[in-house]
Amino acid sequence: DGGITQSPKYLFRKEGQNVTLSCEQNLNHDAMYWYRQDPGQGLRLIYYSQIVNDFQKGDIAEGYSVSREKKESFPLTVTSAQKNPTAFYLCASSIGIGGRVGNQPQHFGDGTRLSIL
Amino acid sequence: AQSVTQLDSHVSVSEGTPVLLRCNYSSSYSPSLFWYVQHPNKGLQLLLKYTSAATLVKGINGFEAEFKKSETSFHLTKPSAHMSDAAEYFCVVSDPVFQGGNEKLTFGTGTRLTIIP
Repeated sequence: DGGITQSPKYLFRKEGQNVTLSCEQNLNHDAMYWYRQDPGQGLRLIYYSQIVNDFQKGDIAEGYSVSREKKESFPLTVTSAQKNPTAFYLCASSIGIGGRVGNQPQHFGDGTRLSIL
Repeated sequence: AQSVTQLDSHVSVSEGTPVLLRCNYSSSYSPSLFWYVQHPNKGLQLLLKYTSAATLVKGINGFEAEFKKSETSFHLTKPSAHMSDAAEYFCVVSDPVFQGGNEKLTFGTGTRLTIIP
């Protein structure tokens, strides 16, 4: 079955530590996204990538970094500069750019819950 | 600028009774609109989408939504609630104005649906 796999499901970060969240998709989608979800809030866009070797900042990119070396993979690094990293992180993908992409739904992984030790 | 307002943070209904989750949007253009559902510690699953075709949109699991341009609303309904419908529901708007080469999704803050046995 095609889908999006996020790992790990739970992750703990120590002070001053960088951690990397994995996101892999086998849907052959060009576009991939990272969102942060906090209680009582909607999803907020961290970074997105429309194509391999290209990515753009979203609304809350500070303290995060990404790479897109392969079409199927879009890892997110939460750096020590992110002072409030505790949240639920969701990765998504969609078919991609070209035409009216807004009506292409995004497919989501099951998320990674990040906490501070 | 686009925005979406989910009018109720929490809705409780008895099993077998109708469900109404309210959503109002603001967009400068003709938007695409989506409803997603999220079960605990899971990613988001698409329920239905509106993309300027029929104003009454049917989705999965018996849900439907009606796009009303005059009221800028996109309320989600279901005739008879089931225990498995208990979850968080998100209304999402996509504006056709490209931002950095890609359309941006704006998420509502969510409505938690509780089903009373």
